[in-house]
Order: sequence, then C-alpha cells, then structure tokens
Amino acid sequence: GAGVSQSPRYKVAKRGQDVALRCDPISGHVSLFWYQQALGQGPEFLTYFQNEAQLDKSGLPSDRFFAERPEGSVSTLKIQRTQQEDSAVYLCASSLGGGPGANVLTFGAGSRLTVL
Amino acid sequence: AQSVTQLGSHVSVSEGALVLLRCNYSSSVPPYLFWYVQYPNQGLQLLLKYTTGATLVKGINGFEAEFKKSETSFHLTKPSAHMSDAAEYFCAVSEDGTASKLTFGTGTRLQVTL
Repeated sequence: GAGVSQSPRYKVAKRGQDVALRCDPISGHVSLFWYQQALGQGPEFLTYFQNEAQLDKSGLPSDRFFAERPEGSVSTLKIQRTQQEDSAVYLCASSLGGGPGANVLTFGAGSRLTVL
Repeated sequence: AQSVTQLGSHVSVSEGALVLLRCNYSSSVPPYLFWYVQYPNQGLQLLLKYTTGATLVKGINGFEAEFKKSETSFHLTKPSAHMSDAAEYFCAVSEDGTASKLTFGTGTRLQVTL
C-alpha cells in the first residue's frame, strides 16, 4: 500500500482483557518496528523485525507483550491481561532496510489503546 | 547509551517569526540524527535527517537543522513560521544506521499565533 496502515485506530479494553493490534507495512519494506507512545512522551522502542525474524525485543516492557510477523509482511502486537499502564498509542513503522540511506522510517497513524 | 533532550516542551511564536526548536543528544558513536513532526491523530513524518557529510541539513516545509558535534546539538530552525507549522516536533537519534532503532526526545509542541 501507499503507507503504513494500523488497525484498530482506537481500542478500549477492560483491565485483564487481551488485545491485538495489527500493522500493514509498506509493500516491500523489510524492516518493521513497534513503538509505544505514552501521553505527553516521545515514542519508545518496543521491538524490531527484519522480514519474519524478530531481531530485537529489548523494549517489550513485560512478558505480557508479544509481537509476531510470521510471513515477513503484516505484524501483530499482542498484549495479554492488559493493565492501565498499557494505555498508550502504539506506533508501527517500516523501512526498506539495508544501508543507512534506505533506513528512513515511515510511521503509521497509530493504535490508541485505553485500558479501563 | 544514547539519549535525546529537547529543551522546552512548548514553544510559541508569532506567524512570520523565526522558529527555533532545541535538541541535544548523547551518543557513544557518531550519531544519525532526525527530526520528525506529528500532527494531531497522524503518524510521525520525517522532516530531515543527518547521517554523514554536510552538517547543515535542509528538510521539507522550509525547515533546516545543523549538526554541531562540539555542542552535541541538532537544533531545528525555520526562518518564518506559518500557521500550518503548529504541531509536535520530535528529535531522535540512532547509533545503528543499519537498523534505524531510534531514541526519541519527549517532544516540543509548537504553537503559532497571529
């Protein structure tokens, strides 16, 4: 597609529910990133994929967070047993990968999660 | 570890006035530096980037930034503000140019008044 598409745009969950957030990157983009943006803060790195391989998950805040990209295209970020502190905007970004010149991240509009 | 500090969470300028948004970074290796803009309910959009070479970088919408290694700064400027520039601006640093794992600052909200 023309841009990075994320769904749902808004999600309200009760504490303890599981949620799944979807990211459709730009076609052909090798690299895919997930960031978490809390209210009034800058985005913080969660995890990174190169094709289907999850190369870095150092930013995932707990084992309740899980991300996958099984076919190297669409990615899903899953949060189990949601807590109020999980409330944030979850941003997905993709890039061509490769050398520095190709590594401009294109961001989606984000999925805003509110946990009640 | 890398970090970014943006001085001033809110900046207000008059239309037509100079825009100056400050960014200082900390990095153990030569950094790659970026400025992104975020409009309400939209994703982050790249304004400009510094990787290597010329230290004065020009971006979209008339913005530019200068990499000053001695000051560890990468301030964003625009000679004349326009109402449409009102948005949130984020400075970011990457130490790994091949992976683009970015560390962002906390952002500066730019308000443009008549």
